[in-house]
Amino acid sequence: SYELTQPPSVSVSPGQTASITCSGHKLGDKDASWFQQKPGQSPVLVIYQDNKRPSGIPERFSGSNSGNTATLTISGTQAMDEADYYCQAWDSSTAVFGGGTKLTVL
Amino acid sequence: QVQLVESGGGVVQPGTSLRLSCVASGFTFRSYGMHWVRQAPGKGLQWEAFISYDGNNKYYADSVKGRFTISRDNSKNTLFLQMHSLRPEDTAVYYCAVRLTGDFDYWGQGTLVTVSS
Repeated sequence: SYELTQPPSVSVSPGQTASITCSGHKLGDKDASWFQQKPGQSPVLVIYQDNKRPSGIPERFSGSNSGNTATLTISGTQAMDEADYYCQAWDSSTAVFGGGTKLTVL
Repeated sequence: QVQLVESGGGVVQPGTSLRLSCVASGFTFRSYGMHWVRQAPGKGLQWEAFISYDGNNKYYADSVKGRFTISRDNSKNTLFLQMHSLRPEDTAVYYCAVRLTGDFDYWGQGTLVTVSS
């Protein structure tokens, strides 16, 4: 079965750029989405179709996808961005989520 | 605004059945595909099932294929997940999500299912 691999944790200082990767076989040939989930809350879509931002998502969130890796980039990271982040893609008729990355802003 | 409200969760014994519901508002329910996604306590997201806008296409994760059935009633703006032969490993918060411009554009607040003897 298809797998998406994320680093368990990423740390970033406030105001700096955070990058969270998601790896999967030929992931660049698929559409990748990213979700933010804060403790006790439901997930929120922050990036879809590799690099599109839904309405209401700040411009500091951006995405890219090429080769075997999709990347979520948060520019000028703020304390409010501390959360778990999940990537997602489709393989055949199955939606697959990555294992999640805990972003710590310190 | 888009609102998804799940219900039907609870504590059940292994081997029993349960039906979850998700009532949608704020968008034209009959025009969009819907998902069920679950999250075990302290774990990540796991997609379970998808149903197309008209109910004619359904896809399932291997872990629930043959045990869970996704369905919808477009006249009542409601999505369902019928779960049979429940196992302790099915214990999770179950979310419904709508496929609008993206894929999982909006999520409900979730309903907790606990399978335990």
